[in-house]
Amino acid sequence: EAQVTQNPRYLITVTGKKLTVTCSQNMNHEYMSWYRQDPGLGLRQIYYSMNVEVTDKGDVPEGYKVSRKEKRNFPLILESPSPNQTSLYFCASTFYAGSTDTQYFGPGTRLTVL
Amino acid sequence: ILNVEQSPQSLHVQEGDSTNFTCSFPSSNFYALHWYRWETAKSPEALFVMTLNGDEKKKGRISATLNTKEGYSYLYIKGSQPEDSATYLCAYYNQGGKLIFGQGTELSVKP
Repeated sequence: EAQVTQNPRYLITVTGKKLTVTCSQNMNHEYMSWYRQDPGLGLRQIYYSMNVEVTDKGDVPEGYKVSRKEKRNFPLILESPSPNQTSLYFCASTFYAGSTDTQYFGPGTRLTVL
Repeated sequence: ILNVEQSPQSLHVQEGDSTNFTCSFPSSNFYALHWYRWETAKSPEALFVMTLNGDEKKKGRISATLNTKEGYSYLYIKGSQPEDSATYLCAYYNQGGKLIFGQGTELSVKP
């Protein structure tokens, strides 16, 4: 089954404790991205990757890192989480940047930073 | 940051009503316009991808139109049903490869 998976689905952590949210897709997509969703602000792009070893900042990259060592995986790293990073995070993928195909979204990760 | 705006922010209709909402986006460097349906506690799901000026797409009772010259798209729902209740998101894809989402229109359909 074609899908985007994220782990964990729910995470409660404390300020400053490094964490990684994994994202994996099995559709051989080149383009992957991370979004955060906050009430009243819609979906905002954090980082995106057009292909392996190619990553770019989205609209709200501060406090986040990503890597794209393999095509299928695109982990989101929070080196020192802060309470303002409490949010709902979505990973998404599509065939390539500018593709007329839609994006496929993962199930979301709800992160709470205390 | 390029703005994608959706209106209204929320909409409450009765079952059987037809409704429509708007997505406005920059008309320059346009590549594609996406519509997604997002139910609470689920991931956004694709409805349409539209690329050409004058495009019209239809899926069951839901249809969409696109005007790239003036920078807007309309989503129509004919004969709304309670199961149509969701947030409807549009996203603008520019030629630089950036996908920018609007804030969504939250639709509530009462039986």
